Amino acid sequence: DAGVIQSPRHEVTEMGQEVTLRCKPISGHNSLFWYRQTMMRGLELLIYFNNNVPIDDSGMPEDRFSAKMPNASFSTLKIQPSEPRDSAVYFCASSRGATNEKLFFGSGTQLSVL
Amino acid sequence: AQKVTQAQTEISVVEKEDVTLDCVYETRDTTYYLFWYKQPPSGELVFLIRRNSFDEQNEISGRYSWNFQKSTSSFNFTITASQVVDSAVYFCALSEVNSGGGADGLTFGKGTHLIIQP
Repeated sequence: DAGVIQSPRHEVTEMGQEVTLRCKPISGHNSLFWYRQTMMRGLELLIYFNNNVPIDDSGMPEDRFSAKMPNASFSTLKIQPSEPRDSAVYFCASSRGATNEKLFFGSGTQLSVL
Repeated sequence: AQKVTQAQTEISVVEKEDVTLDCVYETRDTTYYLFWYKQPPSGELVFLIRRNSFDEQNEISGRYSWNFQKSTSSFNFTITASQVVDSAVYFCALSEVNSGGGADGLTFGKGTHLIIQP
């Protein structure tokens, strides 16, 4: 299995620009999670989906952040407009989703907003 | 609300020493899951163990062992005879069962940076 695939690996953009992060979960996994990692706040859950439906987006910091999962094999996390404080590593993870199965993480996207 | 505390921000030991990473959690649920993940310098998050709240048996996997004690709400991780390749950030995490019985997100501790010196 290819594992969870995230793209791009690195993204450098200027403040105010739109940023789109992409994720392909492991085939057959029913749950997908977006996490953000910073030195100050550690790993924070932003949003998660079960069977393509958003279940809890309480971790999304503000309206500038949005996430979609149009089908079982693809999800996006969009930031519009981006700000320097959004700089972080964004991880996508998936699980079989039965009952708190272990999460398989992608390699992350290192986002730098200048 | 659930919470995970890893009080040790950084630990440095010499190779071959044993080292224990502490994890204390808070939850109001009786059913929950505990995890440990490793994040090596390359940045990916690697799953190490998952334990449910009804199974307090300690677990050993090679040089790794875990001690789960509900009485103290702790889930500590010990590496025996540490090696340089064990150098990484280690995260403890907690997951509660949501109302629908389905998968819930993990709440992570801040992590412990383990440095194994040769």
